[in-house]
Order: sequence, then structure tokens, then C-alpha cells
Amino acid sequence: DAGVTQSPTHLIKTRGQQVTLRCSPKSGHDTVSWYQQALGQGPQFIFQYYEEEERQRGNFPDRFSGHQFPNYSSELNVNALLLGDSALYLCASSLKAGAGETQYFGPGTRLLVL
Amino acid sequence: GQQVMQIPQYQHVQEGEDFTTYCNSSTTLSNIQWYKQRPGGHPVFLIQLVKSGEVKKQKRLTFQFGEAKKNSSLHITATQTTDVGTYFCAAGGATNKLIFGTGTLLAVQP
Repeated sequence: DAGVTQSPTHLIKTRGQQVTLRCSPKSGHDTVSWYQQALGQGPQFIFQYYEEEERQRGNFPDRFSGHQFPNYSSELNVNALLLGDSALYLCASSLKAGAGETQYFGPGTRLLVL
Repeated sequence: GQQVMQIPQYQHVQEGEDFTTYCNSSTTLSNIQWYKQRPGGHPVFLIQLVKSGEVKKQKRLTFQFGEAKKNSSLHITATQTTDVGTYFCAAGGATNKLIFGTGTLLAVQP
């Protein structure tokens, strides 16, 4: 039973470019949340997808967008990259979007913006 | 917005000593979850507390949820080098959006 997988593991981009990160949830999970973790800080909630719709959004600009596919996998897109977007991007999956459901985190994608 | 603070920010202990990290929220919590993140790794779920005053144990780890559901603590008895990492509390809401605390980095000297 595969856990949460993310790709790519590492990525280097330059300012102004666009990036797409991918996440496959744990088998049987239908909800995917994305988090941004800057160096030395706790993860910050970006948004959550359930039934192919964005259900909740954190305090992130519209440059951050996402998508969920019928197989529950998800993508995170970031446009017009800034140096401050350099971080570890974590995907977490859970069963249903309800309160108290255990979230399982993937290994993350480390993004460096030069 | 809701804020979750943790203290201390960093703790260095000798192997065998105890360790405690405290988590405080500005608002009443639906539930509190604890995660451990090893250096270079990703957060790994440890436990969830839901009830006021709840205490749960996992081997050498003891988790508590305050009576007012605004604070929580994690206590590790007789630390080992395998306990090294950053411990995060995370406030869970109605839709499972997690608001992470600032984290406590634990260093254990053999």
C-alpha cells in the first residue's frame, strides 16, 4: 500500500517562471491538502481539494492555484515565481475533508527559486 | 487569525534526560495533533487529542490536552538519540485544515 507520493523531489527555477508540482494521495484517500514550509518554520496551509474542488484556501495569493483529478491526485501550480517561494512544498492526504481525519504527508518537493 | 505558539523554540538535552514542549493557541481548539519531522524529512503524524483534559501515552511519549482546549504538551521521558527532530503541534478545525505551531527542535547529545 503506497503512501503519499510527490514529484519531483527537487526543483530549481528562476524568478518569473512557472512551476507544477504533483501529488498522489495514499490509497483510499480522497482529500488532498497542500502546505508550504519555509526553512525553519512550520508548514503553512495553502489549500485543500475534495471532490475535484478547492474547499478551503489559506492566505496565499492567486499565483498559487491547484487542481484535483478524478483519481484524487492533485497538482499545485505557482506562477510568476518569487525568491520567497523557495520552500518545501508538502502534500497531505486524508479520507474525507472532515474534522479529525489523520493527514498523511508526502516527502515533499524542495523548490529553489534563483 | 488563529495563532499557535510553541515553546521552547529549541532544546538541547543529554541522552536520558526528559523533554517537554508546550503548545498554546489564541482560540479554543477542536482538536490538536502532534507531528515529528526529522531533519530533511517530512512531518509524521504522532497522535490526535480531542477531549478536554485528555492524556494519551505512546511508550516514552505523553501527550496532554488542556482543560480549556487551548493548550497542549508533549513530554518525552528518558530521551534517546532517535528522538532528534522538530516536534510540531497543529490545530485541527472543522474541515481538517491544520494550523501548525512554530515547532520545537530537539537535539539529543549521546
